Amino acid sequence: GQQLNQSPQSMFIQEGEDVSMNCTSSSIFNTWLWYKQDPGEGPVLLIALYKAGELTSNGRLTAQFGITRKDSFLNISASIPSDVGIYFCAGAASGNTPLVFGKGTRLSVIA
Amino acid sequence: NAGVMQNPRHLVRRRGQEARLRCSPMKGHSHVYWYRQLPEEGLKFMVYLQKENIIDESGMPKERFSAEFPKEGPSILRIQQVVRGDSAAYFCASSPDAGGYTFGSGTRLTVV
Repeated sequence: GQQLNQSPQSMFIQEGEDVSMNCTSSSIFNTWLWYKQDPGEGPVLLIALYKAGELTSNGRLTAQFGITRKDSFLNISASIPSDVGIYFCAGAASGNTPLVFGKGTRLSVIA
Repeated sequence: NAGVMQNPRHLVRRRGQEARLRCSPMKGHSHVYWYRQLPEEGLKFMVYLQKENIIDESGMPKERFSAEFPKEGPSILRIQQVVRGDSAAYFCASSPDAGGYTFGSGTRLTVV
């Protein structure tokens, strides 16, 4: 089946540092999504990308949809303690098709 | 406008019992998806339903698992004769026809 390779698996950073994580796929997706999951909760959508090459920002978060439609990255600038959590990339072939998730990047922020 | 509602939040079952997990989609959303998450893993797709129809069940185990989304009421994920390996967090997501997925807070199933 389809798989998303997400890296890094985990990161420990100092408060104020920038963070970058990425996802690659062996197949094409037409939608890329980035989610954050806090302990005991469901994933919460951070950024949605619908067009190849698209670069989208949401506050301190920036994500890009790769030109090949097989990759995406998420950047977090000036990290703060509440950025701690697990970040997941997810891809979908089209509008309502089920999402394929990466295994997540576990972010720890040291104050 | 309430989000995706899942209940119960936590469910404990003995081996061999049945587990019923409920999901009420957001108002106006007719597409429902069920995912399973094991510890330290991402979410794995199980089944995609629209009202009264199963659209894609390629991620569902062939035995003991079933799902429905009736004309009235919530979507139900049913696990018969649970085993320890069924212990996981089960998430439901819903979307409108235009796409866009909203997740519930999940049901954490523990089989003892």
